[in-house]
Amino acid sequence: DQQVKQNSPSLSVQEGRISILNCDYTNSMFDYFLWYKKYPAEGPTFLISISSIKDKNEDGRFTVFLNKSAKHLSLHIVPSQPGDSAVYFCAASLRGGGSNYKLTFGKGTLLTVNP
Amino acid sequence: NAGVTQTPKFQVLKTGQSMTLQCAQDMNHEYMSWYRQDPGMGLRLIHYSVGAGITDQGEVPNGYNVSRSTTEDFPLRLLSAAPSQTSVYFCASSYSRGRGGYTFGSGTRLTVV
Repeated sequence: DQQVKQNSPSLSVQEGRISILNCDYTNSMFDYFLWYKKYPAEGPTFLISISSIKDKNEDGRFTVFLNKSAKHLSLHIVPSQPGDSAVYFCAASLRGGGSNYKLTFGKGTLLTVNP
Repeated sequence: NAGVTQTPKFQVLKTGQSMTLQCAQDMNHEYMSWYRQDPGMGLRLIHYSVGAGITDQGEVPNGYNVSRSTTEDFPLRLLSAAPSQTSVYFCASSYSRGRGGYTFGSGTRLTVV
């Protein structure tokens, strides 16, 4: 049973437009959510995170929105740049105890930004 | 600052062979983890450690052993390699689960034939 779902394997957008990457989760115990970016032949790089007590977190061109009632989060990139082309992973962690250190990842979405 | 260093970058093993994937970090992070990435599967947690001398199993631990004798090192041992263990392996470390997330190494691409 996949607890973190990224239903779009790929997304293509034009340079300068908005990219919206979506993520759904099923476990209501998740209390912290993270987005990672991964280029080919490299390890994932932390991008932005959000606590479950917030509904929005912004860092430059990147904004993450959290809708707890819908168990849905999204990553907005504005404006999109060709260098943003990569695989984006959504990840979540559980509150409390030994689960604090374990991240559950989605399968990833390949974003392609066309010049 | 080297961050998280994984060696080797590439490895080909024969079925039944054993080997150790090395991981070292120089950030004094308490938490370290091993993930594997397979096509269409995202990243799955193999084993993790919350400090020297403390390890625990993740989602897919079978066929792998770990130990954490120092803060810096967290090697992953394949006991008897199987083709199903063909994957890209990532080591990661962190001060805490939330702030800043994990720092990942560049990965080890393992092929078992």
